[in-house]
Amino acid sequence: SQTIHQWPATLVQPVGSPLSLECTVEGTSNPNLYWYRQAAGRGLQLLFYSVGIGQISSEVPQNLSASRPQDRQFILSSKKLLLSDSGFYLCAWTEEGRERGSPLHFGNGTRLTVT
Amino acid sequence: KNQVEQSPQSLIILEGKNCTLQCNYTVSPFSNLRWYKQDTGRGPVSLTIMTFSENTKSNGRYTATLDADTKQSSLHITASQLSDSASYICVVSASGVTGGGNKLTFGTGTQLKVEL
Repeated sequence: SQTIHQWPATLVQPVGSPLSLECTVEGTSNPNLYWYRQAAGRGLQLLFYSVGIGQISSEVPQNLSASRPQDRQFILSSKKLLLSDSGFYLCAWTEEGRERGSPLHFGNGTRLTVT
Repeated sequence: KNQVEQSPQSLIILEGKNCTLQCNYTVSPFSNLRWYKQDTGRGPVSLTIMTFSENTKSNGRYTATLDADTKQSSLHITASQLSDSASYICVVSASGVTGGGNKLTFGTGTQLKVEL
């Protein structure tokens, strides 16, 4: 069965510090991978998605970047965090080629607080 | 602009009671609508999916309805349990998407609390 792992679960970082959040998927090949941010009182916002190794599409211009160094690994990064980067970050995957037909499978998220 | 609006924003009910959550959308062209359940501090989990031709779908005590003409959906929870306490998120998918982007529009969710 497929599983998705996301870590860390919580993170407190000072403004200006770097960020690296990691997500890995097991039990499937060539998944579509996504990074979402969930702010309080707002719907999930798609940040990045990837359809393959090294392929990254950005939905929203921002202080963050994403990379996919391996088929089932997705990393969210920042060189210098801003206060506005605080939020709940969710990694998700769908089956290749079935973006609309299959559900998003989410990790358990990372609660990031920038102080 | 594609939008999904959910009501109520929050709801408190007693264990064993039924409740209905609402979702109105303006996503076009419409592909499908999903309801997700999100426990506090966890990722959302899909409950149901409905396409244009489906007007009702059940998953245990959860029953979703869809009226594509009025662009409304509801999620009915029967005989609520304490474990139903969570945020319920309505997500609408637009068709005609290529390249991996899923063009999903998320509602802000209804926060349900079930009490003894």
